[in-house]
Amino acid sequence: DTAVSQTPKYLVTQMGNDKSIKCEQNLGHDTMYWYKQDSKKFLKIMFSYNNKELIINETVPNRFSPKSPDKAHLNLHINSLELGDSAVYFCASSQGGTAYYGYTFGSGTRLTVV
Amino acid sequence: DQQVKQNSPSLSVQEGRISILNCDYTNSMFDYFLWYKKYPAEGPTFLISISSIKDKNEDGRFTVFLNKSAKHLSLHIVPSQPGDSAVYFCAASVGSFGNEKLTFGTGTRLTIIP
Repeated sequence: DTAVSQTPKYLVTQMGNDKSIKCEQNLGHDTMYWYKQDSKKFLKIMFSYNNKELIINETVPNRFSPKSPDKAHLNLHINSLELGDSAVYFCASSQGGTAYYGYTFGSGTRLTVV
Repeated sequence: DQQVKQNSPSLSVQEGRISILNCDYTNSMFDYFLWYKKYPAEGPTFLISISSIKDKNEDGRFTVFLNKSAKHLSLHIVPSQPGDSAVYFCAASVGSFGNEKLTFGTGTRLTIIP
């Protein structure tokens, strides 16, 4: 039973399209995150939500809009996709919003914009 | 501004010997330091963490050492096993509950030679 699941695993789309990535966690954690791993392999935080409330919005273009319908779900919607959005997007969760006990990551969504 | 650096992109170690992965950081405000392991097409998996007030934490074959004066931490794996072959990310966190940010290094690919 997957703890943090993301769908889809792969996404290929054309520039200008709008797409969504879904994330669900069944760990009962209260904090969820979106991270982006770019071509240089940097993993960078994009957003964090605690109990459905946006906590961190890390200078991400407003074409990216996270939505958390409940504390078990954090979806990422991207409008007007650009070539530079191609990356692997990871969802993660933690309890108490603390890194000390480790975040649990999903397996990632590889987004390719053509 | 790369606050967490892993200067060795790759490391090869004989099975049974000790693997030592290194990480340097620049931000003295980091509270916790963590190590993650990542297999291809999977998300990072939490291995071990250390508080900034400690200098050593051990969990089975994994030991993390922190040298605050040198702003350096290392992960020791002993004995190394073939299943340890993966990319290892060093990460550091700063911020209070709910507003915590995890900053990752670019990873070191560890290969265990049978």
